[in-house]
Amino acid sequence: DAKTTQPPSMDCAEGRAANLPCNHSTISGNEYVYWYRQIHSQGPQYIIHGLKNNETNEMASLIITEDRKSSTLILPHATLRDTAVYYCIVLSQKLVFGQGTRLTINP
Amino acid sequence: DSGVTQTPKHLITATGQRVTLRCSPRSGDLSVYWYQQSLDQGLQFLIQYYNGEERAKGNILERFSAQQFPDLHSELNLSSLELGDSALYFCASSVAGHPKYGQETQYFGPGTRLLVL
Repeated sequence: DAKTTQPPSMDCAEGRAANLPCNHSTISGNEYVYWYRQIHSQGPQYIIHGLKNNETNEMASLIITEDRKSSTLILPHATLRDTAVYYCIVLSQKLVFGQGTRLTINP
Repeated sequence: DSGVTQTPKHLITATGQRVTLRCSPRSGDLSVYWYQQSLDQGLQFLIQYYNGEERAKGNILERFSAQQFPDLHSELNLSSLELGDSALYFCASSVAGHPKYGQETQYFGPGTRLLVL
């Protein structure tokens, strides 16, 4: 399983865009990048995933670099309810959760 | 709401006991996954079932077992419980469960919080 590296914590002001980086330099050509988040002790929530192209859905945008060695999750207008631990995962056979980034949205 | 349900929400028991956790996948999903989240280990994959058959195994102890029934719900059985088994147990489901390089999105339930005293 390809390893991912994320900053342990980030802060963002409410209403601003939150940009969460992830490095996955050992990713293979057919492996997808997945993002999940976990709010307090709730079940992890699926956010978005992508392979090569940038992706957008109602929750977030995912920007993957051309060499696929890193990606950025963008929450366009962060709210207090976006405070959570965000996990970047390279999925081959199974989800392997690292430590993630603890994102705090400040009022 | 992911559509995955888990019961019970909370469970308190004593060391040496046995408990059963239950999971109902989203409608139409054939695969069920079990994860354990403890304070010092993070989220750990335990086991996956696909349409009633074991598909993949992770860091599951021999004291733990699981099964998936014909109606696709799954149960995780934990026996000879130890203090260290206290954790959150999550179930997830996906449509197929044969992730061809990660094309399978898993949806998680709300979890069962187990406390072993």
